[in-house]
Amino acid sequence: EAGVVQSPRYKIIEKKQPVAFWCNPISGHNTLYWYRQNLGQGPELLIRYENEEAVDDSQLPKDRFSAERLKGVDSTLKIQPAELGDSAVYLCASSLHDGEQFFGPGTRLTVL
Amino acid sequence: GEDVEQSLFLSVREGDSSVINCTYTDSSSTYLYWYKQEPGAGLQLLTYIFSNMDMKQDQRLTVLLNKKDKHLSLRIADTQTGDSAIYFCAERQGAGNMLTFGGGTRLMVKP
Repeated sequence: EAGVVQSPRYKIIEKKQPVAFWCNPISGHNTLYWYRQNLGQGPELLIRYENEEAVDDSQLPKDRFSAERLKGVDSTLKIQPAELGDSAVYLCASSLHDGEQFFGPGTRLTVL
Repeated sequence: GEDVEQSLFLSVREGDSSVINCTYTDSSSTYLYWYKQEPGAGLQLLTYIFSNMDMKQDQRLTVLLNKKDKHLSLRIADTQTGDSAIYFCAERQGAGNMLTFGGGTRLMVKP
């Protein structure tokens, strides 16, 4: 069975440009999470979805970040415009309800 | 500051035991977790402990929980070079499977 899939694995952009990350969770997992992991730190939750509903987005910087999970399956996280401080690894995870979270390999974003 | 704290670095020799420590602040945490992250990879759940337990053993891994001191540790017996990675502890707070991670401890195993 495939794990959590994320693309792209790496992205380099100039500041003020837009960027989007894609995540496909494990089949059947209704809960999807987006985390940001800064260099040398642990992951921090940005947003959590239960099916297609965002149930916790309190840590998502809403002025420039947006996310969607339209059909309750795959999800997209967007940053527009990107800033230098957005350079990080963006991790997606999924779980079956409140069970174990399975993480994808992440997208490493570098903003120049 | 972070709610969950870990030391940054640990170096051991192959075959020795490793002990990675973690302190947390939320006494209402229900579960505490240990994750492993290898270079370029996502986080892999190693083990977890329910808050009403003191100890859990799983093959080479032993988790100790001191609720009074809010201290969690992970002991890896017979540490191998393949155990070199970053180890994160995390606490689950309240409802909704919300995890708060520590900053990670980089374990280096010397042959």
